Amino acid sequence: EDKVVQSPLSLVVHEGDTVTLNCSYEVTNFRSLLWYKQEKKAPTFLFMLTSSGIEKKSGRLSSILDKKELFSILNITATQTGDSAIYLCAAQGAASISGYALNFGKGTSLLVTP
Amino acid sequence: DAMVIQNPRYQVTQFGKPVTLSCSQTLNHNVMYWYQQKSSQAPKLLFHYYDKDFNNEADTPDNFQSRRPNTSFCFLDIRSPGLGDAAMYLCATSLSPPDEQYFGPGTRLTVT
Repeated sequence: EDKVVQSPLSLVVHEGDTVTLNCSYEVTNFRSLLWYKQEKKAPTFLFMLTSSGIEKKSGRLSSILDKKELFSILNITATQTGDSAIYLCAAQGAASISGYALNFGKGTSLLVTP
Repeated sequence: DAMVIQNPRYQVTQFGKPVTLSCSQTLNHNVMYWYQQKSSQAPKLLFHYYDKDFNNEADTPDNFQSRRPNTSFCFLDIRSPGLGDAAMYLCATSLSPPDEQYFGPGTRLTVT
């Protein structure tokens, strides 16, 4: 059965701290791994990773995929209170029943305090 | 701006009373998805359309149906909502996988 596990489930940091969120996956015929940020609304897309070892960067956020060890990390440097959200990791496999499902992890709830 | 639109944003229905949620997109994406997200849980895929081809997840209850009359619109029909169907329903779209999925704002369904 396909599985995506995120850790930690919740995290409280102070503004300015750097955080690392973890995502491990077991997905049949893995195609891609995606990170989303969810505040009190729908998830917003952050990154899609398909190749191992290539860091993707957007401002203070960066992410990398390790296809050998089956995990990804999302780094946020110099955190701000606006980074407080649930961060969802999702792995896409090509051989699920639907063929194109995103298998979501339970998310990491990040709270950045002033 | 190209986007995914869901209507209504909030829907209250009575136990057993059919309800339809709607999703439209201006992205011209091939694939449209419906997810159910209950409180403090990850989104769970219910089904998706690849163009006109409907793909149902094995554990999606029969109570849930979907229609895609054209590329831009997709509907989620809940034939007899139960209390356990109260959730946020998210519509998403993508080009042919494994492209990223873009989510609409969601419809929060309350069942009384």
